[in-house]
Parts: sequence; structure tokens; C-alpha cells
Amino acid sequence: SQQGEEDPQALSIQEGENATMNCSYKTSINNLQWYRQNSGRGLVHLILIRSNEREKHSGRLRVTLDTSKKSSSLLITASRAADTASYFCATRVNNAGNMLTFGGGTRLMVKP
Amino acid sequence: EADIYQTPRYLVIGTGKKITLECSQTMGHDKMYWYQQDPGMELHLIHYSYGVNSTEKGDLSSESTVSRIRTEHFPLTLESARPSHTSQYLCASSPRGARSDTQYFGPGTRLTVL
Repeated sequence: SQQGEEDPQALSIQEGENATMNCSYKTSINNLQWYRQNSGRGLVHLILIRSNEREKHSGRLRVTLDTSKKSSSLLITASRAADTASYFCATRVNNAGNMLTFGGGTRLMVKP
Repeated sequence: EADIYQTPRYLVIGTGKKITLECSQTMGHDKMYWYQQDPGMELHLIHYSYGVNSTEKGDLSSESTVSRIRTEHFPLTLESARPSHTSQYLCASSPRGARSDTQYFGPGTRLTVL
């Protein structure tokens, strides 16, 4: 079974609204990362949060991490049509070198 | 934009053909990875390398092989392609040091085996 699972699988919102995506994982982690993938393209790193951090911001992105619940959330504020993409969480498990385990992704559509 | 390149971007071939998917990066990264991703699904690690002459198999069993003769180059080869190999293949790399956890991805190769 996969380490990370995103929820919801798909999300459709209007431009200007906020989008929240959640990620749950199973084992202890060193850090958790969020990546973005435009249709048919490679992934782009958005933000990394370490296991001893609870919240992190980058521009319109806000990530939270709750290690007691083994979950993370990604909030995109004031969404734009250009934010339309799939968003994946990836966990670096302790004692697993630099290996990342990816979840199934949330497909976000932002309507203009 | 990451300096990591994959060719070809799209490939349609017949069953039984031998193919090599190319991946090159100009960032001097030691670590490189190959992932397989079906449309709309999660990524699965199939091979990785920590440096020249280092290659390891990933979590997902794959009939492909890789080589790492030069730091910048990490090609993936399928000796005899089958329809079950139809998928998107993503190459990634990561640096040493403080940003070693971040992976930089190429644009991917979408492979279709008829």
C-alpha cells in the first residue's frame, strides 16, 4: 500500500477561491514535500516541510504538518487558472536515504 | 526550470523492439532517478543511482536496465518492449548538501508499445 495518499482526488474551484489538499502517510518521516505537475509534464518542487516543523509559507502556498496524525495539508490562496495542475505529496521516510514515496495526487482545476 | 532533459518526448513502437530512453542533466547532480507513472496515478521508483557506476533497483519491479557511466547521463533501456510497458517515464536528479532532498524532474517520455 502506498505511503502517501492525497485527498480529494479531484478538486474544481473558481478563480480567486482557496484550494486545500490533504496528504496522509503511514510511517515516520524525515520530511514531506509537495510537487506540482502540469498535464503531460514533469514535476516541479513547491515546498518542503521537515518533521520538526508545523507550518511553512511560500508566496500563496501554506503547508502544515501534523506528525501525530501523520498528515499534511497544502493551501493555495487566491487561486488562478494557471494553478490548474496535479499536486503530489512526497515523503522521505527515515533511514531511506534520499528516496521519496509519492502519493496519487490531487487534480486541481481552477475555472476562470 | 530545471536543466534536466529527456528524449524522446513521445515514442510509439512495436512489441519486441529494443529502446533506450535518454536522460541528461547539466546541474552536476550526483543522484539520479527513474520513475514510472501511469496517467493520473502516483509515481513509482524503478531505478536510482548515487553516482557514476552506481545503480540500484527501486520499489517497483521493472524489466528495464540502467547505466551510469557519466555523471550527467542516466539512460534507461528496455531490451524487448511489451504493451505492459506503455506508460510515462520520468527522470529526476538531486544535488548533494542542503538541498539533497529536493528532486528536479525532466519533462518525461510518454511510451506507447503496440
